[in-house]
Amino acid sequence: QQQVKQSPQSLIVQKGGISIINCAYENTAFDYFPWYQQFPGKGPALLIAIRPDVSEKKEGRFTISFNKSAKQFSLHIMDSQPGDSATYFCAAGGGADGLTFGKGTHLIIQP
Amino acid sequence: DAMVIQNPRYQVTQFGKPVTLSCSQTLNHNVMYWYQQKSSQAPKLLFHYYDKDFNNEADTPDNFQSRRPNTSFCFLDIRSPGLGDAAMYLCATSRDHGGGSYEQYFGPGTRLTVT
Repeated sequence: QQQVKQSPQSLIVQKGGISIINCAYENTAFDYFPWYQQFPGKGPALLIAIRPDVSEKKEGRFTISFNKSAKQFSLHIMDSQPGDSATYFCAAGGGADGLTFGKGTHLIIQP
Repeated sequence: DAMVIQNPRYQVTQFGKPVTLSCSQTLNHNVMYWYQQKSSQAPKLLFHYYDKDFNNEADTPDNFQSRRPNTSFCFLDIRSPGLGDAAMYLCATSRDHGGGSYEQYFGPGTRLTVT
């Protein structure tokens, strides 16, 4: 599997602030870029995803920005809330093949 | 509610004793995946089924096998578990949602402990 690099490894944000997590990929064959949210002891939950034909996708407080030329994409969480505290994984894939995940970002939102 | 179900949620097995983990889905998705997630690490794909076609990842140890008797069920067999196989095992499903987009939905996982 080709690598997906994710940063930062951990992130602390004040309530109401913007949380930003970044990912970079290598394989130009990837054409599907999801973000997953995972709480301790639970399976990953699909949060939002983007295809490379658009540069930005917004769903509620969550926005993906995608830069195809730089092979980078990021997750922005607006108005971050304590309930957003979780581990976030970016991933990349193509077709029905499995996903390649980043190493995860442990996000803590301080009240 | 349509969902991905994994049983058991927690499994303890002895070193070298075969163990089987199960996954079922009510989403009627044609693709099913098994991932291994070790503590504080990212999920790592072991293999997947596209319909009945089995696709093994190159670095998946031979110790791990899988069966898919029908669309709804998929099993992960670990023939001789070692201490290094202790992990959360995640099942996921997907189908083509249009334009070749396969959104993957994960089950809650099975936490495997090897003693």
